[in-house]
Amino acid sequence: DTAVSQTPKYLVTQMGNDKSIKCEQNLGHDTMYWYKQDSKKFLKIMFSYNNKELIINETVPNRFSPKSPDKAHLNLHINSLELGDSAVYFCASSQVQGVSEQFFGPGTRLTVL
Amino acid sequence: AQSVTQPDIHITVSEGASLELRCNYSYGATPYLFWYVQSPGQGLQLLLKYFSGDTLVQGIKGFEAEFKRSQSSFNLRKPSVHWSDAAEYFCAVGGTGGGNKLTFGTGTQLKVEL
Repeated sequence: DTAVSQTPKYLVTQMGNDKSIKCEQNLGHDTMYWYKQDSKKFLKIMFSYNNKELIINETVPNRFSPKSPDKAHLNLHINSLELGDSAVYFCASSQVQGVSEQFFGPGTRLTVL
Repeated sequence: AQSVTQPDIHITVSEGASLELRCNYSYGATPYLFWYVQSPGQGLQLLLKYFSGDTLVQGIKGFEAEFKRSQSSFNLRKPSVHWSDAAEYFCAVGGTGGGNKLTFGTGTQLKVEL
């Protein structure tokens, strides 16, 4: 069974469109994250949720809106897509107590044309 | 602010040779340190982690890393590299509070010559 899964794996869309990426974890973790990996492979945290509550919001444009319907899911909705949004987006999860290792999903490659 | 520096963008080694990937961190308190590996088109897999205790930590796939507080370093080593080790390697630092935020280095791409 996949621990952290994301859909879709690839997403190609036009500028100005709205799209969503879904993430699910079956590890029973309380904390979930979204990371963005740019073309130079640099990984930067975007959001963190703990038990459906937003904990970290790293000055991401408000076109990006995470939503956590329950602690096993964290979706990312992006409005008015721009060329600069093209990247690989990774979902991750971890146990909530203190600092613990994060488990990553396979990533979603978003290409904005 | 926490930060991680991986000074080597690319490293090429011959199969069977030893490997050391460098990682230096900046963190205001006791750091929690991680090494992740990313194969092409894949997500990140944890190789090993250091939270406390023995400064030499063993990980999966024969990797180890040594925490040196005086040098703010957490270098990754492997005594004999296999062709399947070719990948991107990321060092990360985190700490308590703030939602378990990890800060990643820019990565080191490892190529293995047969």
